[in-house]
Amino acid sequence: NAGVMQNPRHLVRRRGQEARLRCSPMKGHSHVYWYRQLPEEGLKFMVYLQKENIIDESGMPKERFSAEFPKEGPSILRIQQVVRGDSAAYFCASSPGRLNQPQHFGDGTRLSIL
Amino acid sequence: RKEVEQDPGPFNVPEGATVAFNCTYSNSASQSFFWYRQDCRKEPKLLMSVYSSGNEDGRFTAQLNRASQYISLLIRDSKLSDSATYLCVVNMRSGGSNYKLTFGKGTLLTVNP
Repeated sequence: NAGVMQNPRHLVRRRGQEARLRCSPMKGHSHVYWYRQLPEEGLKFMVYLQKENIIDESGMPKERFSAEFPKEGPSILRIQQVVRGDSAAYFCASSPGRLNQPQHFGDGTRLSIL
Repeated sequence: RKEVEQDPGPFNVPEGATVAFNCTYSNSASQSFFWYRQDCRKEPKLLMSVYSSGNEDGRFTAQLNRASQYISLLIRDSKLSDSATYLCVVNMRSGGSNYKLTFGKGTLLTVNP
């Protein structure tokens, strides 16, 4: 009965470290989406994945950011060599992937860079 | 032109007021439409889907005008608990037969006692 599960809820990293954010989609959902929300800003699409495939990564910075959704296990958003500007709330959403089906969001991971 | 554009707000209204949010979208091929609400520092939550014929859910009414590429949300008899940011969301094609949601920046609503 679980919804979209994200962890950790809060993550603190120092500049130059790596951040790994995890997302387990809702049961029965095979499509995962990652969004970033800067303070006082709107949601920005980053990447859209289906099991083992990246469908659309047009919103993801070309450097330092990567995402995967392996056959087994959660989707991972990875940020290498973090900088202060990476501080944001990162939300994951999932859907069955069919047209007219809304996405359901996890609680988000608040990433803070010291 | 932004893909999804909303009233910038913020809106401050007294309890019991009727408030309307407007939204336009740029991609005429968009297929489905939603309103989400987001409380401060929380995740967006689906409020309602928007259908071509218009639809109502209690105090909330959503309208869609495909010709004008315009979506609206009307809240009647607003409650304190309606205070949130309201997000207009459009489902757009994302390569092949896949679709992704595009969010407006949101309109902040504060309902005052």
